[in-house]
Amino acid sequence: KNQVEQSPQSLIILEGKNCTLQCNYTVSPFSNLRWYKQDTGRGPVSLTIMTFSENTKSNGRYTATLDADTKQSSLHITASQLSDSASYICVVSDRGSTLGRLYFGRGTQLTVWP
Amino acid sequence: EADIYQTPRYLVIGTGKKITLECSQTMGHDKMYWYQQDPGMELHLIHYSYGVNSTEKGDLSSESTVSRIRTEHFPLTLESARPSHTSQYLCASSEQGQGEFNQPQHFGDGTRLSIL
Repeated sequence: KNQVEQSPQSLIILEGKNCTLQCNYTVSPFSNLRWYKQDTGRGPVSLTIMTFSENTKSNGRYTATLDADTKQSSLHITASQLSDSASYICVVSDRGSTLGRLYFGRGTQLTVWP
Repeated sequence: EADIYQTPRYLVIGTGKKITLECSQTMGHDKMYWYQQDPGMELHLIHYSYGVNSTEKGDLSSESTVSRIRTEHFPLTLESARPSHTSQYLCASSEQGQGEFNQPQHFGDGTRLSIL
């Protein structure tokens, strides 16, 4: 069964600290993996998208890594800011059908305290 | 920044009413989607469209219907709302690209629907 599991479910860190969010997936065959940031009451916003051949991609203070062999991805946030408080969602796309389904994780709720 | 708009942002309405949730995008994207999201849960695809006059049901069974008469407009309708329809509804769009879902999806800010 194609699934996306994220950990931890929630995380609290102090402003200025770094953190790493995890995503494990069983989606096969794999097409690409995306990380989204969803602020409370807003729609998700794309942070990164990685295909099979990419193992790291950065977007400012956000760096995503991908290990397609172990089917794991991480999102590292450097020097956290209060505005980083949000839910971070891992999404994996397959290429096993003409549709190319998206499989969503439940997200990690990050809270940054001053 | 993506330009995709949903109205209303919040709606509280009684059981049995007909509801239409609006979604419009100004990017000229052919593909549009509707998702349902409950607190702490993953997004579930309920409808999608490849372009004008194209509509398909998604993974999650839904009593809602959609239409795509114009490229920029993808409204979702509930003919008779029930408390089980209470949820957040997110609209998204994406460009045509290699592979059906290989382009990033741009989301609206959602409609939070409460059926009393």
